[in-house]
Amino acid sequence: DAGVIQSPRHEVTEMGQEVTLRCKPISGHDYLFWYRQTMMRGLELLIYFNNNVPIDDSGMPEDRFSAKMPNASFSTLKIQPSEPRDSAVYFCASSLGQGLDTQYFGPGTRLTVL
Amino acid sequence: AQSVTQLGSHVSVSEGALVLLRCNYSSSVPPYLFWYVQYPNQGLQLLLKYTTGATLVKGINGFEAEFKKSETSFHLTKPSAHMSDAAEYFCAVSDSPGNTPLVFGKGTRLSVIA
Repeated sequence: DAGVIQSPRHEVTEMGQEVTLRCKPISGHDYLFWYRQTMMRGLELLIYFNNNVPIDDSGMPEDRFSAKMPNASFSTLKIQPSEPRDSAVYFCASSLGQGLDTQYFGPGTRLTVL
Repeated sequence: AQSVTQLGSHVSVSEGALVLLRCNYSSSVPPYLFWYVQYPNQGLQLLLKYTTGATLVKGINGFEAEFKKSETSFHLTKPSAHMSDAAEYFCAVSDSPGNTPLVFGKGTRLSVIA
């Protein structure tokens, strides 16, 4: 398997623009997670899905952030409008289940908002 | 609710020296415990995990960790550091039977000096 695939790997945009990050989980995994990593706040869980259904979005910072999972092989994280403080590395991860199941992380998308 | 505390945001060791990265957890139920490693510009990958059974867990690249319930600790060790071990290490906890996602610590950056 190719692992978790994220695109783009790098994104530079200007404040106010819409940003869409994409993720393809490992085939057969039922859980998908979106994380944000910054120097100041570390690794934060934004939202996670089970069988394409959002289970907990309490980590989404504000209404400018939204995430969808239209099918088992694709998810998006959208920021509209983007702000400089959204600059971070965004990771997608997938797992078979929760608890003892390993989460497999993608390579991340480094977002810079100017 | 679970939580993880990693003591020391940065640890520096000489090549060949013992590596000890500290992790303490809080959980109201028997925990599942994990160590993940993040190499520069990559996503996190699993080093090792404790679920049940033997409290000394061996992982990849010569790392091991011991679950000590009385001390609520899960410290990561490696007898002899290698330059390639330089990375960021994250301790994480999940509840059993796995009703909630992983809770990650803030991470410890390991530097290895030649």
